[in-house]
Amino acid sequence: QVQLQESGPGLVKPSQTLSLTCTVSGDSLRSGGHYWTWIRQHPGKGLEWIGYISYRGTTYYNPSLKSRVTIFVDTSKNQFSLKLTSVTAADTAVYSCARENGSGSRGTFDIWGQGTMVTVSS
Amino acid sequence: DIVMTQTPLSLSVTPGQPASISCKSTQSLLHSDGKTYLYWYLQKTGQSPQLLIYEVSNRFSGVPDRFSGSGSGTDFTLKISRVEAEDVGVYYCMQSIQRPYSFGQGTKLEIK
Repeated sequence: QVQLQESGPGLVKPSQTLSLTCTVSGDSLRSGGHYWTWIRQHPGKGLEWIGYISYRGTTYYNPSLKSRVTIFVDTSKNQFSLKLTSVTAADTAVYSCARENGSGSRGTFDIWGQGTMVTVSS
Repeated sequence: DIVMTQTPLSLSVTPGQPASISCKSTQSLLHSDGKTYLYWYLQKTGQSPQLLIYEVSNRFSGVPDRFSGSGSGTDFTLKISRVEAEDVGVYYCMQSIQRPYSFGQGTKLEIK
């Protein structure tokens, strides 16, 4: 059974860097043709696609965040991580990692982490 | 970027009655490969979203057949033939024809 679990600080100060990690169990980041994705949800709002790192290590970021976002993997720990720099209160959200199943139709997010709330505040 | 617009933003339905949610996109979601990349997700309270429908009308594994999707191009609809208590939550449409993928604002379904 594939599971994803986010971890990281729940509170980040303005202008600092938000760093989150998603630990994957039951699957390998480098196999299966999947796209390992970060999605966030502002309080009481809808969903925003942040970006992904593919099974081949390629990345794609939402242009609205591109200058501040980095997604990378640690294959030895089977984890992928999100870094978002120069955060403001507008980055306060629940951050979730998800697997876009590469063997299914594009957009098939079949496995999600439970999500982690990150608050940007001094 | 493609903007997805859902209506209504909320609806209250008596159990056993039907429900319908509309989703419109600012660009056609028909890809050159012949597929239309419109998805429906349901987010129950305190949970992550779960996939209901992919490519307009295909139910994901385990999704009850009371859920159905239809539409083409830029106009799409999710229908629940007979709403049950477990269907409460927020429904999102999502386009995946181009990145960045984008979601509708969400439609909150409540039970009367």
